[in-house]
Amino acid sequence: EDQVTQSPEALRLQEGESSSLNCSYTVSGLRGLFWYRQDPGKGPEFLFTLYSAGEEKEKERLKATLTKKESFLHITAPKPEDSATYLCAVQGPGNTDKLIFGTGTRLQVFP
Amino acid sequence: NAGVTQTPKFRVLKTGQSMTLLCAQDMNHEYMYWYRQDPGMGLRLIHYSVGEGTTAKGEVPDGYNVSRLKKQNFLLGLESAAPSQTSVYFCASSYAQGRNIQYFGAGTRLSVL
Repeated sequence: EDQVTQSPEALRLQEGESSSLNCSYTVSGLRGLFWYRQDPGKGPEFLFTLYSAGEEKEKERLKATLTKKESFLHITAPKPEDSATYLCAVQGPGNTDKLIFGTGTRLQVFP
Repeated sequence: NAGVTQTPKFRVLKTGQSMTLLCAQDMNHEYMYWYRQDPGMGLRLIHYSVGEGTTAKGEVPDGYNVSRLKKQNFLLGLESAAPSQTSVYFCASSYAQGRNIQYFGAGTRLSVL
């Protein structure tokens, strides 16, 4: 069964304190791994897509990496505005774009 | 360009009442999806559509029906609401088949008393 597990569930960081969020997955035939950001009371907002092991993508203070079993979202020198829930999702084989989501990591960055 | 718009934003129902949630997208996307989000459960797919006039079941379809009469609209219906359907509902859309990004609406918060 396809599955996505995110850890930790919650993370509290001081402003400037770098850290990483983990997304481990089990899927037969990964077509893509997606990272989304979700602010309270809002819908998920797309951040990155990774397609193959070894791929990396960056956006401001965020960097996503992918291996054959997991993905990391590295946050370098975070700011309070990076506080949000970060969701990971995988896309398996098939003829649709269906996603399987993890339960997310709630990040709080304190000044 | 509004993206994905969901109406209403909030709704309170009594057990047994019915309602329809509307999702509209202006990106000419072929695929549309309905998810529910519950604490500790993550986003779970209810129903989806790969084109106008087509619908299919997702992971948790029971108690819901959908229709896609127009390409830009995807409706989610609750015929007889139950407290277990208290949740936040999200609609998403994406381009046709491939490694495509899903874009989400702002959500509808539904409480069933």
